[in-house]
Amino acid sequence: EAGVVQSPRYKIIEKKQPVAFWCNPISGHNTLYWYRQNLGQGPELLIRYENEEAVDDSQLPKDRFSAERLKGVDSTLKIQPAELGDSAVYLCASSPPRGEAFFGQGTRLTVV
Amino acid sequence: AQSVAQPEDQVNVAEGNPLTVKCTYSVSGNPYLFWYVQYPNRGLQFLLKYITGDNLVKGSYGFEAEFNKSQTSFHLKKPSALVSDSALYFCAVRDMRGDKIIFGKGTRLHILP
Repeated sequence: EAGVVQSPRYKIIEKKQPVAFWCNPISGHNTLYWYRQNLGQGPELLIRYENEEAVDDSQLPKDRFSAERLKGVDSTLKIQPAELGDSAVYLCASSPPRGEAFFGQGTRLTVV
Repeated sequence: AQSVAQPEDQVNVAEGNPLTVKCTYSVSGNPYLFWYVQYPNRGLQFLLKYITGDNLVKGSYGFEAEFNKSQTSFHLKKPSALVSDSALYFCAVRDMRGDKIIFGKGTRLHILP
């Protein structure tokens, strides 16, 4: 069974530019998470989807971040415009109901 | 609000010795508890979970964890450490009501040969 797939693995952009990350969750997992992980820190939840509905986006900086999960499968996280402080690893995860989260490899974003 | 605390930034253990990585939590109601491991430049890998039942749960790579409700703890353990166990370990809790998974800040485990 394929795991959670994220792309790209690495991205380097200049500040004020836009960037997008893509995630394909495990088939059948209704719950999808986007986390941000700074170096040496634990993952911080940005947004959680149940199917196509964003049920928890309280930690998403809505002035520059946006996310969508069309048809309740793939998801895209976008930052526009990026700032230096956005440099981090962006992790996507999916889970079955009440189960553990399975993580993708992450996208390492560097804003210069 | 739910929270997870990992009081140790780093734990050093000699190879072959037992290891413990500590975790305490705060959550409304009964928790779902998890441990994950992260190797450099990799995503988080699931190790084990506690949902209900036996307080001692066994997971991947010989790891186990003990749930203690009175102390609100879920410490990760292994009887005999391997150098290859060196990595970053995260404890996480899921609030049954909120369904959100929250992670601790992580503990770096160094196994010394």
